[in-house]
Amino acid sequence: GAVVSQHPSWVICKSGTSVKIECRSLDFQATTMFWYRQFPKQSLMLMATSNEGSKATYEQGVEKDKFLINHASLTLSTLTVTSAHPEDSSFYICSAGLALRTSGNTIYFGEGSWLTVV
Amino acid sequence: QKEVEQDPGPLSVPEGAIVSLNCTYSNSAFQYFMWYRQYSRKGPELLMYTYSSGNKEDGRFTAQVDKSSKYISLFIRDSQPSDSATYLCAMSAPGANNLFFGTGTRLTVIP
Repeated sequence: GAVVSQHPSWVICKSGTSVKIECRSLDFQATTMFWYRQFPKQSLMLMATSNEGSKATYEQGVEKDKFLINHASLTLSTLTVTSAHPEDSSFYICSAGLALRTSGNTIYFGEGSWLTVV
Repeated sequence: QKEVEQDPGPLSVPEGAIVSLNCTYSNSAFQYFMWYRQYSRKGPELLMYTYSSGNKEDGRFTAQVDKSSKYISLFIRDSQPSDSATYLCAMSAPGANNLFFGTGTRLTVIP
């Protein structure tokens, strides 16, 4: 099946530093990737839609200057958490779509990245 | 009203039981329905994918979609402790790139 790889799986950083998380589609090209955030025992919260070759679309309430998204190729999207603070500590998950029908998509997820800001 | 409603549980069942997980939705444009399983501290894993109404079976798992009632279900037969996870329903409309998720139901299968 389709595979989406995410790296690193966990990272600890100091407050004020920046952290980059990579999301790769391994066996298919993804013009669109999605970034989610998940707090413990809560569901996925869509942060932004990453579009290859263009600017990401951010959900309401998500700071685009804090969460920088770059989708430079059809198989790679990156999320950079800039000037991280302890409240940014969370589980970040990416996903990529795979068209199963002409107008439909199913979404595969990466393994997630645990970010802890100390 | 949320686009997708899902009972968060938690749901505890004994090993071997039949589990029924459900979601309701309000958008009649949804045509694609998915169930994901998420183990603790892991990314969601696609379990079942269904297009439009009907049933789909894969091993111990059966997905049902009733578009007239805007109601989808996932049944797990002969549940195992390894089925203990959070199950998320998700759905999308034709031409849309994004999914709408339920909040997830936490399931524990007790040996």
